[in-house]
Amino acid sequence: NAGVMQNPRHLVRRRGQEARLRCSPMKGHSHVYWYRQLPEEGLKFMVYLQKENIIDESGMPKERFSAEFPKEGPSILRIQQVVRGDSAAYFCASSPGAGSYTEAFFGQGTRLTVV
Amino acid sequence: DQQVKQNSPSLSVQEGRISILNCDYTNSMFDYFLWYKKYPAEGPTFLISISSIKDKNEDGRFTVFLNKSAKHLSLHIVPSQPGDSAVYFCAAVANTGNQFYFGTGTSLTVIP
Repeated sequence: NAGVMQNPRHLVRRRGQEARLRCSPMKGHSHVYWYRQLPEEGLKFMVYLQKENIIDESGMPKERFSAEFPKEGPSILRIQQVVRGDSAAYFCASSPGAGSYTEAFFGQGTRLTVV
Repeated sequence: DQQVKQNSPSLSVQEGRISILNCDYTNSMFDYFLWYKKYPAEGPTFLISISSIKDKNEDGRFTVFLNKSAKHLSLHIVPSQPGDSAVYFCAAVANTGNQFYFGTGTSLTVIP
C-alpha cells in the first residue's frame, strides 16, 4: 500500500512562471490537505479538499494560488506567476475521511525554489 | 489566528533524560489530538494520538497527556535518544469536521 506520493520532490521556477505540484493520496483516502512550510516556520494550512470539492481554502493566498482534487487523478496545487516568497516546502496529506479517528498521512513534500 | 500553539520553538535535552513537549489549543470542539515528528527534508510522520475521552495514551517511550480543562496536551519521551532529535508538531481535529490544525512545531535536540 503506497503512501502519499508527491511529485516532483524538487521544483525550480523562474519568477513569473507557473508551478504545478501533484499529490496522489493513499489508496482509499478521499480527503487531501495541503500545507506550506516556509523557511524557519511551522506547517501552515492552505486548503482541504475532498474529491471534486474544496471544503476549506481559508489558508490559501487570495491570488495566484489554486487547488483541485478531481474525480480521477491526483490533487494539484497550482501557483501562477511565482515570486521569490513562494519558495517553500509544500506538503500534502491524506486521510480516509469523515467519521474515523485516524491520522493524516503526509507525503515527502515538494520543495519549490523560485529564482 | 492560531488555534493550536506550541510556544517553545526549541528544546534541548540530555540523552537518557525526559523530553516534555507542550501544546495548547483554543477550540473546545477539538476531540482528537496527534503528535507528528519531522526530520529535515522529509514529510511529517505520525507518532502518537489521543482522543478526548482519555487523558493519557502510552506507546513505548512516548506518552501523550491531555488536560481538557486547561486545553493543554504534552508529549513525554522517556528516555530521550539522539535519534529523537527532530521537529515535533502537535495537531488537533474537531468533531465537526476533518481539518487538521497544526502547531508551529518544537525543535528537539537530544544531546549525546
